[in-house]
Amino acid sequence: GDSVTQMEGPVTLSEEAFLTINCTYTATGYPSLFWYVQYPGEGLQLLLKATKADDKGSNKGFEATYRKETTSFHLEKGSVQVSDSAVYFCALSAHSGGSNYKLTFGKGTLLTVNP
Amino acid sequence: EPEVTQTPSHQVTQMGQEVILRCVPISNHLYFYWYRQILGQKVEFLVSFYNNEISEKSEIFDDQFSVERPDGSNFTLKIRSTKLEDSAMYFCASSLRDEQFFGPGTRLTVL
Repeated sequence: GDSVTQMEGPVTLSEEAFLTINCTYTATGYPSLFWYVQYPGEGLQLLLKATKADDKGSNKGFEATYRKETTSFHLEKGSVQVSDSAVYFCALSAHSGGSNYKLTFGKGTLLTVNP
Repeated sequence: EPEVTQTPSHQVTQMGQEVILRCVPISNHLYFYWYRQILGQKVEFLVSFYNNEISEKSEIFDDQFSVERPDGSNFTLKIRSTKLEDSAMYFCASSLRDEQFFGPGTRLTVL
């Protein structure tokens, strides 16, 4: 079945450091790929997405590129801020043609950014 | 901006009791989902709902679970006889296609 493997955390960085959170996936067909963010005490918010190979999703300074050859979708940000402290989830949606776009999530990576 | 809402934010119940978790999806969305997140673990798919019927359910979604969209706006998850292991955060989501919007969640505590 579909699965997402995500870099284990927690990750602790200083403000303005470079961030990479690794994500690889296994899926049949051609899934859409997503990064969701969960701030403390809140629900899941879509951060960015990519729907086909070589697409780059970007939002709020975060980027991820859909790499079909390595089945990866690593999240990067050049300069993190304290406000980026949250849990980040990589996810895929493998629409098989049925009436369902269910998401399969990775375990999540807790990011803490210190001033 | 339209958003998914969920009530209650926190529900405490005794083992064996029935609970109903409520969600109001975004009004023009077509697909509806429930997920759960046990504390410290990953978000797990429970069920998807489209065109007034279940389109897929996970192995977690056994006979004690049911979903309804009773009035075209609400989307509910019922757990008939709660167990201790049902304690988790339950998230509702809705989508037009693959981009899902999540509610803030209901924290269910089973004592």
